[in-house]
Amino acid sequence: EDKVVQSPLSLVVHEGDTVTLNCSYEVTNFRSLLWYKQEKKAPTFLFMLTSSGIEKKSGRLSSILDKKELFSILNITATQTGDSAVYLCAVTPQGAQKLVFGQGTRLTINP
Amino acid sequence: NAGVTQTPKFQVLKTGQSMTLQCAQDMNHNSMYWYRQDPGMGLRLIYYSASEGTTDKGEVPNGYNVSRLNKREFSLRLESAAPSQTSVYFCASSELSFYGYTFGSGTRLTVV
Repeated sequence: EDKVVQSPLSLVVHEGDTVTLNCSYEVTNFRSLLWYKQEKKAPTFLFMLTSSGIEKKSGRLSSILDKKELFSILNITATQTGDSAVYLCAVTPQGAQKLVFGQGTRLTINP
Repeated sequence: NAGVTQTPKFQVLKTGQSMTLQCAQDMNHNSMYWYRQDPGMGLRLIYYSASEGTTDKGEVPNGYNVSRLNKREFSLRLESAAPSQTSVYFCASSELSFYGYTFGSGTRLTVV
């Protein structure tokens, strides 16, 4: 059975800190891994990763995939209160028309 | 720029009542999905439709039925609601899941 596990489940830090969120997966014939940010409503897309070792970057957020060790990390530097959200990791099995999600990490940034 | 539209946004049902959650997308996507989200559980797939005319069970299909009415619309029906179905429901669509989903804004359902 395909499985995605995120850690930690919850994290509270101060504004300006750097955080690393983890996502490990077990999936039949991996195709891609995606990160989403969810504030009050629907998840919004952050990154899609398909190749090992290539960092994706958007402002203060970056992510990298390790296909050998079956995990990905999402880094956020110089955190701001607006980064407070649930961060979801999801994988696409090869040949499947669906995403399998992890439990999410609830990140809280205190001023 | 509607994207994926879900109705209703909020609903309270009594145990045993039935209801249908509606979802429509205007992006000409082939695939549509229904997920539920519970605290600490992430998003779990209920049913999906890879293309018009097909539907498949996901991880947690029991207690639900779906209809892919046409390419745009994918509805989720609860025939006899139970308190365990209290959740936030998200509809999503995609051209190819490889590129991820576009989500609707969600329906918060409470069954009392």
